[in-house]
Amino acid sequence: NAGVTQTPKFQVLKTGQSMTLQCAQDMNHEYMSWYRQDPGMGLRLIHYSVGAGITDQGEVPNGYNVSRSTTEDFPLRLLSAAPSQTSVYFCASSLQGAGPSLETQYFGPGTRLLVL
Amino acid sequence: EDKVVQSPLSLVVHEGDTVTLNCSYEVTNFRSLLWYKQEKKAPTFLFMLTSSGIEKKSGRLSSILDKKELSSILNITASQTGDSAIYLCAVNSGGYQKVTFGTGTKLQVIP
Repeated sequence: NAGVTQTPKFQVLKTGQSMTLQCAQDMNHEYMSWYRQDPGMGLRLIHYSVGAGITDQGEVPNGYNVSRSTTEDFPLRLLSAAPSQTSVYFCASSLQGAGPSLETQYFGPGTRLLVL
Repeated sequence: EDKVVQSPLSLVVHEGDTVTLNCSYEVTNFRSLLWYKQEKKAPTFLFMLTSSGIEKKSGRLSSILDKKELSSILNITASQTGDSAIYLCAVNSGGYQKVTFGTGTKLQVIP
């Protein structure tokens, strides 16, 4: 199993550009989520999905879109990049079971994004 | 608004020292508290605590929750350079989306 994979590892964007951060998992996990990590702020939830076709907003959703057309993939789209979106982005997935299982939440390696 | 505060923000210790990291929280509808270790990349899960007073152990690491004091500690005994990392505390307050992370404690263990 590859676990949770993210691409790219690093990206530089200019203000106003759009891009998609890719996230995939091969563990057949129902739950997937996107976090951003900023210095002094901890990890903050952007969007999450409880299964294919179902997504919802987290704590900081503005400026980001997501979709979940398959169980495996959960891309994060930046519509018009802003310097405030400079951050490290982590994708995570977890088992459903009887409910979301946070102790089995697996994180991807992260994407470092710099918006100039 | 849910809040998780970790202390200290950073810590430098010598190999062999015992380390104690703190996490305090103010959340509605507490369900569980989680500890993660983050080295250069992704956070990896350490412990999940739901009941007060029950210590969880894994090798040299242990953690305990105090629901009365709304806090948890993570202990590392006989610290090693490989323990150098950022340690994150998170609290789940109701559902998958209600996970609040602290800012982390950066631990450096020097030889």
